[in-house]
Amino acid sequence: KAGVTQTPRYLIKTRGQQVTLSCSPISGHRSVSWYQQTPGQGLQFLFEYFSETQRNKGNFPGRFSGRQFSNSRSEMNVSTLELGDSALYLCASSLGQLADTQYFGPGTRLTVL
Amino acid sequence: DQQVKQNSPSLSVQEGRISILNCDYTNSMFDYFLWYKKYPAEGPTFLISISSIKDKNEDGRFTVFLNKSAKHLSLHIVPSQPGDSAVYFCAASEDSNYQLIWGAGTKLIIKP
Repeated sequence: KAGVTQTPRYLIKTRGQQVTLSCSPISGHRSVSWYQQTPGQGLQFLFEYFSETQRNKGNFPGRFSGRQFSNSRSEMNVSTLELGDSALYLCASSLGQLADTQYFGPGTRLTVL
Repeated sequence: DQQVKQNSPSLSVQEGRISILNCDYTNSMFDYFLWYKKYPAEGPTFLISISSIKDKNEDGRFTVFLNKSAKHLSLHIVPSQPGDSAVYFCAASEDSNYQLIWGAGTKLIIKP
């Protein structure tokens, strides 16, 4: 079974631009969660989608948005990029029930110059 | 306010010895706890979990202990091996919430 894939793996943008990251979950998984990882901050939860609906949301500004498609693939968008948005963005998929194990993709490394 | 805290950014242990990674939490509603391991350039992978109805869960060389009164959990790795060198994250969730709350991670270095 193929794992979680994320594209692109690396991205360099400048301040003010916008970016879209993509995540393909494991086949059969209906939940996709997005996280931001920065050094010393652990994984900060962005949002979670289940069956095309945002089920949970973290404490990030509205510049961060996402969506999920009918095939469970998910995209995350960040508008008006700031230097502080430079981070590793991870997505994780699961079956979507409470306490289900999350399976992570390798992440997208975003650098904002 | 960090609800899940891993106060040691790094830990160095001799190969063959026991590694003990600690995690504290503040939310008494947390009832499910997990440990993930992360290698560089890879996403975290699930290691072991424990629910609040238990105080210990064992899986091979890995054992997680939960002390609910102290709001503390620990991961024991015995014996430690070079391949265990990674960043370890603990995470917690409430029964009614699908969201995982993560600690900042502890970098474990196993010395040969």
